[in-house]
Amino acid sequence: GAGVSQSPSNKVTEKGKDVELRCDPISGHTALYWYRQSLGQGLEFLIYFQGNSAPDKSGLPSDRFSAERTGGSVSTLTIQRTQQEDSAVYLCASNPGQGVETQYFGPGTRLLVL
Amino acid sequence: GQQVMQIPQYQHVQEGEDFTTYCNSSTTLSNIQWYKQRPGGHPVFLIQLVKSGEVKKQKRLTFQFGEAKKNSSLHITATQTTDVGTYFCAGPRGSNYKLTFGKGTLLTVNP
Repeated sequence: GAGVSQSPSNKVTEKGKDVELRCDPISGHTALYWYRQSLGQGLEFLIYFQGNSAPDKSGLPSDRFSAERTGGSVSTLTIQRTQQEDSAVYLCASNPGQGVETQYFGPGTRLLVL
Repeated sequence: GQQVMQIPQYQHVQEGEDFTTYCNSSTTLSNIQWYKQRPGGHPVFLIQLVKSGEVKKQKRLTFQFGEAKKNSSLHITATQTTDVGTYFCAGPRGSNYKLTFGKGTLLTVNP
């Protein structure tokens, strides 16, 4: 079946502009995660959605970052007033939501803020 | 907060040599997971270890979970060019749904 998909695959934007990144999880997966991966670094947790529960936003680095998940499926990560330090790969992952299980990652969105 | 440290950060080997990466947690882990990320790709799940002292093998890859469940290792025997990539370990932090990832070990293999 289809894996996690993300769009766009690459995004170049100017400092100060807003960007939206999209994630389509694997069908039936109730848990969805967003991570940020800077060059040569590990994965930094940003936000977690599980079904209809309130999301865990504890990893969002500033109030310029927000995320939504509509209908328990597709998620959008929004970065407002982008800064150069926001340049990174933004990875989305999903899993069936039974606990700490395998995370199935999407291909990521490579964001470059000029 | 919980930290997961990986060493080495980089490892370059000749094809056919063995490779080992080590993962250490500041706290006891209920389980540990390993992922591989090829250059330009995304992390892909390799394995999960749950039991103290557990050892699992996948062909040339051997994974170990320490007796105290605070450390783990991944050993690759006779590396091949297809093994190139970054290997990450990850452990649950606090809740049952969040993972803390190590910074990874980048393996390069000279053919």
